[in-house]
Amino acid sequence: SQQGEEDPQALSIQEGENATMNCSYKTSINNLQWYRQNSGRGLVHLILIRSNEREKHSGRLRVTLDTSKKSSSLLITASRAADTASYFCATDPPKGAQKLVFGQGTRLTINP
Amino acid sequence: SAVISQKPSRDICQRGTSLTIQCQVDSQVTMMFWYRQQPGQSLTLIATANQGSEATYESGFVIDKFPISRPNLTFSTLTVSNLSPEDSSIYLCSVGDRARGYTFGSGTRLTVV
Repeated sequence: SQQGEEDPQALSIQEGENATMNCSYKTSINNLQWYRQNSGRGLVHLILIRSNEREKHSGRLRVTLDTSKKSSSLLITASRAADTASYFCATDPPKGAQKLVFGQGTRLTINP
Repeated sequence: SAVISQKPSRDICQRGTSLTIQCQVDSQVTMMFWYRQQPGQSLTLIATANQGSEATYESGFVIDKFPISRPNLTFSTLTVSNLSPEDSSIYLCSVGDRARGYTFGSGTRLTVV
């Protein structure tokens, strides 16, 4: 079964607004990563947050991680039309084989 | 981070045939990963390919259906064989590590008719 569950499944907002996406997972992790996918193409790595980190920033992106709740959120501030894409969280287990397990994704639409 | 060239970007194939997807990386990497993304779904790991050894397949994926080659540290192929409409998906290769994250190819959109 999928490790990650994301909500909402779809989000539509106006340009300039902030977008928040959430991800929950079930087992221990080494880190959690967020990726963007435009129109069913390849994935772009956005940000990686380690299990001992609580918050991380990269430009207009802010990621939080709460390991006690097994959840993470991705905030995109001041959204732009170019942010329209699907966003996936992915978890990496703390030991054993390298193996990313992806959430179901959030489809984000930014309306001009 | 590594740059991956994945080919073809898309293809339409007849049932019963096979499609081979190539990924070329601009640097040497130990492991390469192959994923499938079915329509409207998330990504599922098919297998992990190490140079010089057999690929490791995830549950539900078998070598006869998804043979993988890894002839050197910069190249890998995934073949989807004996195609059926259920194989219509996007296939992606990836490289990276758990410390820094992963880079993905641009994907191959396969349609089986």
